[in-house]
Amino acid sequence: GAGVSQTPSNKVTEKGKYVELRCDPISGHTALYWYRQSLGQGPEFLIYFQGTGAADDSGLPNDRFFAVRPEGSVSTLKIQRTERGDSAVYLCASSLGPTDEQFFGPGTRLTVL
Amino acid sequence: DAKTTQPPSMDCAEGRAANLPCNHSTISGNEYVYWYRQIHSQGPQYIIHGLKNNETNEMASLIITEDRKSSTLILPHATLRDTAVYYCIVSLRGGGSNYKLTFGKGTLLTVNP
Repeated sequence: GAGVSQTPSNKVTEKGKYVELRCDPISGHTALYWYRQSLGQGPEFLIYFQGTGAADDSGLPNDRFFAVRPEGSVSTLKIQRTERGDSAVYLCASSLGPTDEQFFGPGTRLTVL
Repeated sequence: DAKTTQPPSMDCAEGRAANLPCNHSTISGNEYVYWYRQIHSQGPQYIIHGLKNNETNEMASLIITEDRKSSTLILPHATLRDTAVYYCIVSLRGGGSNYKLTFGKGTLLTVNP
């Protein structure tokens, strides 16, 4: 079956702009996660959704970052007033439940000029 | 979650077994050992996990020492496609914030022809 998909695969934006990154999880997976990966580092947790609600957003770096999952399936990560330090690969993962193995998408590479 | 220590890089000849070590000396009794890998420009991929018994699946074997302070991931017949960064992660399963995978820098395994 289809895996986790993320769009766009690449996004280049200018400092100060607003961006939205989309994640389509595996059908039937109730848990969804966002991670961020900087060059040479492992992925870092940002936020976890169980169904429609954000069960843990402790990894979001500041209030410029926000994520939604209104119908319990697709999720959008929103970044306001982007900064050059936001440049990274943003990874989405989903799992059947919170104790199950996570399946990752290919990521969105965000570059802020 | 317990911290893990892995060598930054390893080499292996194609067709030979690749043995990737991981130290997790502060692991607690109910924490599992997970292994994920990340092939260049892709999202991480789940490989295997275990609690205290050795585990094997179609991808790899996981050997956990009796005191659980270290483990080894074994790829029995490495191929060029196994070149990737391998992450060892210790996490609770079914409790606490186990949904939150904490990645280190992992081990870059290079399989040579």
